[in-house]
Amino acid sequence: GAVVSQHPSWVICKSGTSVKIECRSLDFQATTMFWYRQFPKQSLMLMATSNEGSKATYEQGVEKDKFLINHASLTLSTLTVTSAHPEDSSFYICSARGRGRGHQPQHFGDGTRLSIL
Amino acid sequence: DAKTTQPPSMDCAEGRAANLPCNHSTISGNEYVYWYRQIHSQGPQYIIHGLKNNETNEMASLIITEDRKSSTLILPHATLRDTAVYYCIVRESGNQGGKLIFGQGTELSVKP
Repeated sequence: GAVVSQHPSWVICKSGTSVKIECRSLDFQATTMFWYRQFPKQSLMLMATSNEGSKATYEQGVEKDKFLINHASLTLSTLTVTSAHPEDSSFYICSARGRGRGHQPQHFGDGTRLSIL
Repeated sequence: DAKTTQPPSMDCAEGRAANLPCNHSTISGNEYVYWYRQIHSQGPQYIIHGLKNNETNEMASLIITEDRKSSTLILPHATLRDTAVYYCIVRESGNQGGKLIFGQGTELSVKP
């Protein structure tokens, strides 16, 4: 089945640094990618949607200057958490959907656990 | 906001069928029903989806009522590895498709 790879799996860094998370679709072309965030014991919250070659669309309440999303190719999207602080610590999960029928499922990466000290 | 309602938790005995209900009474004509599950500390895993006909694959069966206002995911022979949070989501189809908006899901515990 479709595979989405996310890297790194976990990262610990100091407050104030920027962290980049990569999301790759390994066996299909991802025309649309999604980024989610999940806090402990909560459900996934959609942060933004990006289509290849265009700017990401952010959900209400998500700071676009804080969470930079780049979707430069059909197999790669990146999320950069800029000037990260402890409250940004969370589980970040990407998802991708390919071309074709509009009802095809999204596939998810295994997430990145981000801890800001 | 999520457009589905699911019970917060369910138990199932190992080897028995697990029947997970979902209510989506406001579903519109071009919206599909998707089921995903999330095992602790992993990304969601796609299970199955459907529009109005019942669907079956190697993982599960999806039964959608004739009025499409509710559905049931069936795991025919639950194992301990099926313990997870199961999410029922409705999403529109079309050229770009819609967004998957997650609700709270059902926490299924399969017990020996």
